[in-house]
This record gives sequence, C-alpha cells and structure tokens, in this order.
Amino acid sequence: AQTVTQSQPEMSVQEAETVTLSCTYDTSESDYYLFWYKQPPSRQMILVIRQEAYKQQNATENRFSVNFQKAAKSFSLKISDSQLGDAAMYFCAYRNYGGSQGNLIFGKGTKLSVKP
Amino acid sequence: NAGVTQTPKFRVLKTGQSMTLLCAQDMNHEYMYWYRQDPGMGLRLIHYSVGEGTTAKGEVPDGYNVSRLKKQNFLLGLESAAPSQTSVYFCASSPGYGYTFGSGTRLTVV
Repeated sequence: AQTVTQSQPEMSVQEAETVTLSCTYDTSESDYYLFWYKQPPSRQMILVIRQEAYKQQNATENRFSVNFQKAAKSFSLKISDSQLGDAAMYFCAYRNYGGSQGNLIFGKGTKLSVKP
Repeated sequence: NAGVTQTPKFRVLKTGQSMTLLCAQDMNHEYMYWYRQDPGMGLRLIHYSVGEGTTAKGEVPDGYNVSRLKKQNFLLGLESAAPSQTSVYFCASSPGYGYTFGSGTRLTVV
C-alpha cells in the first residue's frame, strides 16, 4: 500500500522569506500523481500544485514550486516570498495513475506559520 | 455552479444517535469520496464510489455506511454515533483526475 510521510508537523517562516516543506512517499508504481493542498482556517481544501510522475520537469505555480525526486521518492514544496496569507496546513497527497479507486492518499500535514 | 455541497456544516450528536451527511455535486463526476480529518492524522478515506449504485470501503470504514443512489449524491450514515467519530468530514468528487472538495462538516459526538 502507498504511504505519504510529512516529517515536519510545524514550520515557521518570516514574511518575504522562502520555506520548503518536505514530503516523502512510498509506492511500487511507476506512474502516479503527486499533489500539495493548502487548508487555511476556513477548512477549504485548495489545490496548490500537482506533478505527474512521468514528467521530469518540476511543476511551478507562481510563488510555489516543487522539487520532485522520483528515485528518492521525495516531493518537497518551496514557497518563495512568503505572505501572511500562506499561513495554513499543507498536505502532500498521492494518487495512482490508473486503477479503479482514484482516491488521494494524504500525509499528516504541516502547519505553516508566517511571521510579519 | 455550486461544485460540491455538504450538509450540514456543523452537528452535535449524542452517543448512540444516528445521522446522515449529504454530499451533492453538480459536475457530473463519476467518483465520489468521504474522508475524515482528525488532528495530526491528515485525511483518511472512509468510503468511496466509482459510479452510481456502487460503493466500496476505504481505510477507516467501521461504523459508517454509504449510499449512491443518484450520481450526484453520496450519503454517509452513522447508525450509532460514538465519541470516536468526532471529526471533520470531507466529501470530494472527481471525474477521474482532479478533485473538488466540499467545505466539510464538523461533527461532535458527546
């Protein structure tokens, strides 16, 4: 069974600085998707970024980028120029490429605080 | 376009009571999921459905039942609520890739 591990329960960053959130996963599959979700205090789950395992290029969305290391099964999220609105829980998630379930497998989350 | 709507948003139950959480989506998605979120545990899959009339167990199905009689609705039932079922419940739907989440239901069982 696939697992997702986020080893940092909490992180803190100064406004305008850069922070990296770690995520590792375990799978025997070669094709899959990886996601980072943001959950602010409103509780809404917001997709930050996604990566297809077959793509070697790291995904980027504005100030958010990932470092995808397939061989190491690592998928870290870098937030540049951190803003107060980035404060939230961040979840790393995995999904098999095929199969009948299509469900997301989540890590336990990292709580990010942004200091003014 | 409402996306995924969960009702109710909050509920307090007494131990032993029953209730049904409703998830409705208007995007014609085939796949629907129920997750629970507990502090320090992330989101864990309770049950899921890959189409109208189908349901299957996820990681933590005990104490819950589900039904998908209509494609747009996915119901989560608690027959006899227990304090261990105090949690935030999320519904999500997907056409097969990409997910839309509801805003969650905070359930407290006392």
